[in-house]
Amino acid sequence: GAGVSQSPSNKVTEKGKDVELRCDPISGHTALYWYRQSLGQGLEFLIYFQGNSAPDKSGLPSDRFSAERTGGSVSTLTIQRTQQEDSAVYLCASSSDRGQSQETQYFGPGTRLLVL
Amino acid sequence: DAKTTQPTSMDCAEGRAANLPCNHSTISGNEYVYWYRQIHSQGPQYIIHGLKNNETNEMASLIITEDRKSSTLILPHATLRDTAVYYCIVRARGGATNKLIFGTGTLLAVQP
Repeated sequence: GAGVSQSPSNKVTEKGKDVELRCDPISGHTALYWYRQSLGQGLEFLIYFQGNSAPDKSGLPSDRFSAERTGGSVSTLTIQRTQQEDSAVYLCASSSDRGQSQETQYFGPGTRLLVL
Repeated sequence: DAKTTQPTSMDCAEGRAANLPCNHSTISGNEYVYWYRQIHSQGPQYIIHGLKNNETNEMASLIITEDRKSSTLILPHATLRDTAVYYCIVRARGGATNKLIFGTGTLLAVQP
């Protein structure tokens, strides 16, 4: 079936504006993750959703970052009052909670955010 | 989660086997070894994982030492498309948060 999709693929915004990034996980996957990768840096965990449990927000860098997952499927990552240091590739991943693929994370192509 | 150590970069000739090492000397008994790779401008891609037995799939083989303190990912016949950063990650399964902690990985450059 279809993999994880993300939109937009690229986003250029001005400092101080809000942005929303969207992730469509693989159908049936109960777990959803957001990571970001800054230029020349490794991948950094941001937030994790699992079913109806409270999300693990321990990786969010500031209160300008928030995410929600509606209906257990699509997720939106929102960055308010963007700063230049928010420029990065934002990656979404999903995983199943059963079978051989349990906990194997499948990543989307990412959204490249550039804050001017 | 246990920390891993990988070489920064490696070269491999096209068609030859690529052997990527990973040290994880502080691994716990319930922690698995996962390998992901990231081709330029793409999201990470799962390759293989294992606990203590050697594993093989259509992409690669994973050899874990008996003491589990190190492992080797083997790409049997490397192609130019295998040029990527390869990440070795050690983590437990079934935890409260299944986040992956990525290190700096190994940049594998497959040469024609």
